[in-house]
Amino acid sequence: GESVGLHLPTLSVQEGDNSIINCAYSNSASDYFIWYKQESGKGPQFIIDIRSNMDKRQGQRVTVLLNKTVKHLSLQIAATQPGDSAVYFCAENSGGSNYKLTFGKGTLLTVNP
Amino acid sequence: ETGVTQSPTHLIKTRGQQVTLRCSSQSGHNTVSWYQQALGQGPQFIFQYYREEENGRGNFPPRFSGLQFPNYSSELNVNALELDDSALYLCASSFEQRQGNGYTFGSGTRLTVV
Repeated sequence: GESVGLHLPTLSVQEGDNSIINCAYSNSASDYFIWYKQESGKGPQFIIDIRSNMDKRQGQRVTVLLNKTVKHLSLQIAATQPGDSAVYFCAENSGGSNYKLTFGKGTLLTVNP
Repeated sequence: ETGVTQSPTHLIKTRGQQVTLRCSSQSGHNTVSWYQQALGQGPQFIFQYYREEENGRGNFPPRFSGLQFPNYSSELNVNALELDDSALYLCASSFEQRQGNGYTFGSGTRLTVV
């Protein structure tokens, strides 16, 4: 069945360092991927997305990399700041299912000042 | 423009009771999706409403039901509550079933079943 998972449940970095959060997916039909940030007491907030016809997409301080060969997705955050501390989820949408997002378990990112 | 608002923010119910959660979609959005997020887990898709019709459903039993109103606000109803229904219930709205950047989540309703 389809699943989206994360390699590490927690990640602790120093302020100013770069952060890399990883995600594995198993559904080869997945064609759209999204990274969300969820702060305590809030709903998930969109960070960046990527379609399966791309292998890299950049935003402001964030980059998403997609490796379809090994079904792996990563989120890179440059110059991590204390405000980046949150739980990060990858989510995927499989082809033909335009209504449903499947979320991974999440990675807790802690940024130490 | 206002975002997605959910009410109530917190709720405590007894096993076997029924509960109704409410969601006001963002202005201009006609699609509402509901998710259940257990503690320490990612959100799980319950169902989606598009133009007042259920448009897709996840792996949840029939005691989870919903409605969407002409103003595109929505309700999630859960009957015969079980302890495992304790979770954060999230509503997300979008325009024409769009996802990604146009898919806005509310802050959720924390339901505790005792």
